[in-house]
Amino acid sequence: QVQVQESGPGLVRPSETLSLTCTVSGGSISSGSHYWGWIRQPPGKGLEWIGSIFYTGNSYHNPSLKSRVTVSVDTSKNQFSLRLKSVTAADTGIYYCARMGYDIWTANPNTMDVWGQGTTVTVSS
Amino acid sequence: DIVLTQSPLSLPVTPGEPASISCRSSQSLLHSNGYNYLEWYLQKPGQSPQLLIFLVSNRASGVPDRFNGSGSGTDFTLKISRVEAEDVGVYYCMQGLQSPSFGPGTKLEIK
Repeated sequence: QVQVQESGPGLVRPSETLSLTCTVSGGSISSGSHYWGWIRQPPGKGLEWIGSIFYTGNSYHNPSLKSRVTVSVDTSKNQFSLRLKSVTAADTGIYYCARMGYDIWTANPNTMDVWGQGTTVTVSS
Repeated sequence: DIVLTQSPLSLPVTPGEPASISCRSSQSLLHSNGYNYLEWYLQKPGQSPQLLIFLVSNRASGVPDRFNGSGSGTDFTLKISRVEAEDVGVYYCMQGLQSPSFGPGTKLEIK
């Protein structure tokens, strides 16, 4: 069965760039039937979708974060990545990667059916 | 942007009793294809969220049949017929009609 696992630094300095990678195992990121996404959760708060990408490189981003977010894919490594620039303390939280469905009618990624365990990122000097 | 609200935000329940969570959307989640793009997730304590229900009423693989979703347009409900201790956690609704967004969450606890 497909599994996803986040990796990356747990501490990022303010104004710098947060970089995380998600490794997909048990299946190919290039299968063509799913999007791959990032979701975050500030301490003690709810969930926020960040962005998603297809294996072709087609991507979607949360409009509230769009100017700071880059989601990329490396099919040769079966990985996808998140870069969030100009971080502040408000970007502190748990970052999850997930497999997402894609709906041809809405042209949106949606259903998150496989989640990673999450990785904690703290923005602090 | 579509905004989701949930009620109640806190839900103490006696084991064996039913529970109901409401999710309301600022816009209709009904697409012209006839489907409502509303999903439910459960985040158990210390765990990642897990998918419970998609397209309003379709249970994800392995989800017990005591979980049932209903609704259309802007009003949706998740019902648990008989709450068990393992059902504790925070329940989130999420819309997938536009850029995905989540409700604030409803924390279910055992009395």
